[in-house]
Amino acid sequence: TQLLEQSPQFLSIQEGENLTVYCNSSSVFSSLQWYRQEPGEGPVLLVTVVTGGEVKKLKRLTFQFGDARKDSSLHITAAQPGDTGLYLCAGVVGARTYKYIFGTGTRLKVLA
Amino acid sequence: ETGVTQTPRHLVMGMTNKKSLKCEQHLGHNAMYWYKQSAKKPLELMFVYSLEERVENNSVPSRFSPECPNSSHLFLHLHTLQPEDSALYLCASSQGFTGVHYGYTFGSGTRLTVV
Repeated sequence: TQLLEQSPQFLSIQEGENLTVYCNSSSVFSSLQWYRQEPGEGPVLLVTVVTGGEVKKLKRLTFQFGDARKDSSLHITAAQPGDTGLYLCAGVVGARTYKYIFGTGTRLKVLA
Repeated sequence: ETGVTQTPRHLVMGMTNKKSLKCEQHLGHNAMYWYKQSAKKPLELMFVYSLEERVENNSVPSRFSPECPNSSHLFLHLHTLQPEDSALYLCASSQGFTGVHYGYTFGSGTRLTVV
């Protein structure tokens, strides 16, 4: 079974702090996405990374794809209460892209 | 209206009821998906449709029956469900299976409670 392990599972921090969420696998991904999901809503796509070593920035969020395309990280600078939610990584292994694997999730709470 | 729309948002049904969940996308995507999200579990893929043809049925019990009448609409018909089927059911769409995968667009989900 192919797995995407995320760490930490839970994170509670104060507003203004920085944090990093990790997404790891033993499989090589042709592309990888990060989503944020708020309670009672569907996940919302944040970013797609494709190339090993790629770094993408979305305002205070920085996404990195590992050189070997087996892992990824999400770094949030100066976290705000609006960043609260469930963060999911997901990726495609192989050519048939409906074989899409979701990570175990990181639940983030940012306290004002 | 844009994106992926799911109705109803909330549904409570008895174990002997029959109900249907509806999903509609206005993105021009040609693949649609049903996922189940239970507490403390990763998202579970249920069904995949590509150009109205089912390409994946991920060992889902027959009490769940999908229908895809065209590339914009997807239904999930429910009958004689069990309490453990209570979950958030998410519909998603994507461009398809060729080339680089750029992720899914999800609907807001249907929160299903089976009593």
